Amino acid sequence: ETGVTQSPTHLIKTRGQQVTLRCSSQSGHNTVSWYQQALGQGPQFIFQYYREEENGRGNFPPRFSGLQFPNYSSELNVNALELDDSALYLCASSAGLAGGPYEQYFGPGTRLTVT
Amino acid sequence: AQSVSQHNHHVILSEAASLELGCNYSYGGTVNLFWYVQYPGQHLQLLLKYFSGDPLVKGIKGFEAEFIKSKFSFNLRKPSVQWSDTAEYFCATRNTGGFKTIFGAGTRLFVKA
Repeated sequence: ETGVTQSPTHLIKTRGQQVTLRCSSQSGHNTVSWYQQALGQGPQFIFQYYREEENGRGNFPPRFSGLQFPNYSSELNVNALELDDSALYLCASSAGLAGGPYEQYFGPGTRLTVT
Repeated sequence: AQSVSQHNHHVILSEAASLELGCNYSYGGTVNLFWYVQYPGQHLQLLLKYFSGDPLVKGIKGFEAEFIKSKFSFNLRKPSVQWSDTAEYFCATRNTGGFKTIFGAGTRLFVKA
C-alpha cells in the first residue's frame, strides 16, 4: 500500500510568483486536506477536497486555491506569493468524509521558501 | 472558534523518566481528539485518537492519553521514555462540522540518553 506522497520536496520562489504543489493520496482514500505549517507552529488547515469538490476552508485568502482530480490526487496553488507563505505544506488523505470518525494520513510535506 | 492549547513548548527528560504532555481544547460539540508525533526528518504520524467510549486511550509505542471531559483535557502519557521518543508532539481536535483538524502549537521533547 503506497502512502501519501508530495512533490516537490523543496521549492524556492520569489515574492509575487505563483506555485503549484502536488499530492497523491493513499490508495483507497477519497478525501484530501492541505495544511500550512510555519516554523515553530502546528499545522494550520487550508482546505479539504472530497470527490473533486472543496468541502471546507480555513482562514486563508482566495489566492490559495486547489484542485482534486478523478484519481483523488490533488494540487495546491498559491498566487502572488508573499514572504509569509514560506512554510512546510502538508497534504493529508483519508477514507471518508467529514463528520465521521476517520483518520488522516500525512505526507512528508513540501518546504516552500519565498525570497 | 475551536482551539487547542499545549502547555509545554519544550520538555527535556532523561531516559526512563515518566512523561505527561498537557493538552486542553475548547469545547465545540462532538469531540474528536488526536495526538500526532513528528520524529526528526519524518512526517506526522498518528499516535492515538479518541472518538468515543473508554476515555483512556492506548496508542502505539506505549503511549496513552486520557480524555477528561470536565477539564476539556486530553493529556498524553508514557510511563518510561526512551531516547527514540525524541520528537515533536501535536495535540489536535476536529471541529464540529468534522472537516477541519485544529492543531496545537506542538511540544518538542528531547530525551537524554
